[in-house]
Amino acid sequence: SQQGEEDPQALSIQEGENATMNCSYKTSINNLQWYRQNSGRGLVHLILIRSNEREKHSGRLRVTLDTSKKSSSLLITASRAADTASYFCATAAYSGAGSYQLTFGKGTKLSVIP
Amino acid sequence: KAGVTQTPRYLIKTRGQQVTLSCSPISGHRSVSWYQQTPGQGLQFLFEYFSETQRNKGNFPGRFSGRQFSNSRSEMNVSTLELGDSALYLCASSWTINTDTQYFGPGTRLTVL
Repeated sequence: SQQGEEDPQALSIQEGENATMNCSYKTSINNLQWYRQNSGRGLVHLILIRSNEREKHSGRLRVTLDTSKKSSSLLITASRAADTASYFCATAAYSGAGSYQLTFGKGTKLSVIP
Repeated sequence: KAGVTQTPRYLIKTRGQQVTLSCSPISGHRSVSWYQQTPGQGLQFLFEYFSETQRNKGNFPGRFSGRQFSNSRSEMNVSTLELGDSALYLCASSWTINTDTQYFGPGTRLTVL
């Protein structure tokens, strides 16, 4: 079952603009991760933010986490055509019997128009 | 360092057949997880192996199975294939636990006719 839900499902912007994607989840988490997937290929890890962190940066990426609202956002600044991809949030949560599981949302499809 | 490799990259099978997919993790990674990705259901967790033991399993029927070898390489098997098994199967590896950063392979695209 999907724990994280991304919003919007699709986003189209002009090159140079900023793109913001949101992720909401339901249960307590250990960490939240963002991944990128280019059409039909493997996922690439972008950033991991732990439950005790509020904000993290990596290059043009900025991720925030609000555990009280059970939500996260991914901001890509000064977007480029090469940023065109699907973006997924994944939540790491306790799944019972002493184990944890990473659960992915359905993703946001970002199109950056040159 | 070589990334995660998956073989084969593409596979076409017919209903009722069985299939075995292979995954070689990044050297030194001991956790291997498998995911099924379809347009309708998105990315769904199949199972995770660590040190040759299945540590976690998703909500899939028993037709889906896997194993891990002593060199951390992993295989997954799907028996009695159904049309709905058509999907991109992704393997991911990590150092210790599957909730740390996952490094994904390019996937195996399985088509069931």
